[in-house]
Amino acid sequence: QVQMLQSGAEVKKPGASVKVPCKASGYTFTNHIINWVRQAPGQGLEWMGFMDPDPKYNLTGYAQKFQGRVSMTWNTSTSTAYMELNNLRSEDTAMYYCARVSVEIFSSEFQEVHYYYLDVWGTGTTVSVSS
Amino acid sequence: SSDLTQDPAVSVALGQTVRITCQGDSLRNYFATWYQQKPGLAPVLLIYPKDNRPSGIPDRFSGSSSGDTASLSIAGSQAEDEATYYCQSQDRYGHLSFGGGTKLTVL
Repeated sequence: QVQMLQSGAEVKKPGASVKVPCKASGYTFTNHIINWVRQAPGQGLEWMGFMDPDPKYNLTGYAQKFQGRVSMTWNTSTSTAYMELNNLRSEDTAMYYCARVSVEIFSSEFQEVHYYYLDVWGTGTTVSVSS
Repeated sequence: SSDLTQDPAVSVALGQTVRITCQGDSLRNYFATWYQQKPGLAPVLLIYPKDNRPSGIPDRFSGSSSGDTASLSIAGSQAEDEATYYCQSQDRYGHLSFGGGTKLTVL
């Protein structure tokens, strides 16, 4: 079955970087976009960005809040996505999820709309930032 | 802060119907997706556009929308439905946004 496997936990000091892996299995890695979402303790979900490993596109897109501080990469040969966050601060303490994206397309006479939704989520990686 | 607004908490009596709402400008152009999250677990896809349920999701869950508001309805609420529910929308670039979440208590 489709799985997004994530490691357990990372502990970092302020100013450091963290690189969170997400190993996909059960589907063709290049056929689906992967999104990254984080959740601070007791808080809601926060979208961080996406990566499209399709070799036709090789795209990434980041939430404005994380521009310049986040990088999403992948290794197609190992079906592994990575999210790297730099210059960590205490507010970055959170659970970090990767999630596979599926697309629902609605077509009308005038336009075609692509709806992106997260159909399979990883188990999450806890990142704690503390001095 | 979120561009999508949800009530922080809602309660429902066991077996009754509850509606959880999500409001935001993007919902005038895009149908919402809904996720369920139980404590200590990753979110689970509940409803995707347009009012589709993944396999394994009971048909007591349904979605609807009107104007700038999307709604998730749970008919005949069960104890196991106690969870936090998040709506999700997007922009034309595929950038997603989430509501702040609604914690549902089943009494």
